[in-house]
Amino acid sequence: QKEVEQDPGPLSVPEGAIVSLNCTYSNSAFQYFMWYRQYSRKGPELLMYTYSSGNKEDGRFTAQVDKSSKYISLFIRDSQPSDSATYLCAMSDNAGGTSYGKLTFGQGTILTVHP
Amino acid sequence: KAGVTQTPRYLIKTRGQQVTLSCSPISGHRSVSWYQQTPGQGLQFLFEYFSETQRNKGNFPGRFSGRQFSNSRSEMNVSTLELGDSALYLCASSLEGLGFYNEQFFGPGTRLTVL
Repeated sequence: QKEVEQDPGPLSVPEGAIVSLNCTYSNSAFQYFMWYRQYSRKGPELLMYTYSSGNKEDGRFTAQVDKSSKYISLFIRDSQPSDSATYLCAMSDNAGGTSYGKLTFGQGTILTVHP
Repeated sequence: KAGVTQTPRYLIKTRGQQVTLSCSPISGHRSVSWYQQTPGQGLQFLFEYFSETQRNKGNFPGRFSGRQFSNSRSEMNVSTLELGDSALYLCASSLEGLGFYNEQFFGPGTRLTVL
């Protein structure tokens, strides 16, 4: 079983819809939770990060972390065709040693927002 | 500020050959991480270098190796290529490589095809 599970989709929604993306994880040592967006033929770029549990909002994006359930979410409001990309959740702990430079990623969800 | 650059962008090799990929981090970043991205396994951590030292390593065979130079530029090498090594190889740089305080910035990747 993978440490981080993410539904690969694909997910297709109309413009203006609210999109919900989710990941579950098994490693209770994870403290830092990130969402990356990857466009075709590009490297991932950081969208949002959250430390420990709680919510964080940035414009149309909201990230939620529930450590008790080992579950994280990303919500996209008023989705746009330009949001069409692969969304990757990523996690890390901060314990040194085997944490150095390592992010553990979910499989990625392919999102298409059609006009 | 220039982003992370990777060369070459595309490579085609045959089984049994070896290959060297190069990564130039963002100026001032001392940590370089390497990842392999495939449709089946997603993004998987290969190794991380900091100040010319490998600090962390993922679960890949010894055919995968790397190094870092004094200017923080990094190379990874894959020897005795197998068909399953076909993937997008991504490098990411960060200031220190530990935790979310040090956001990882990804390059565009090198697409390796093994025939």
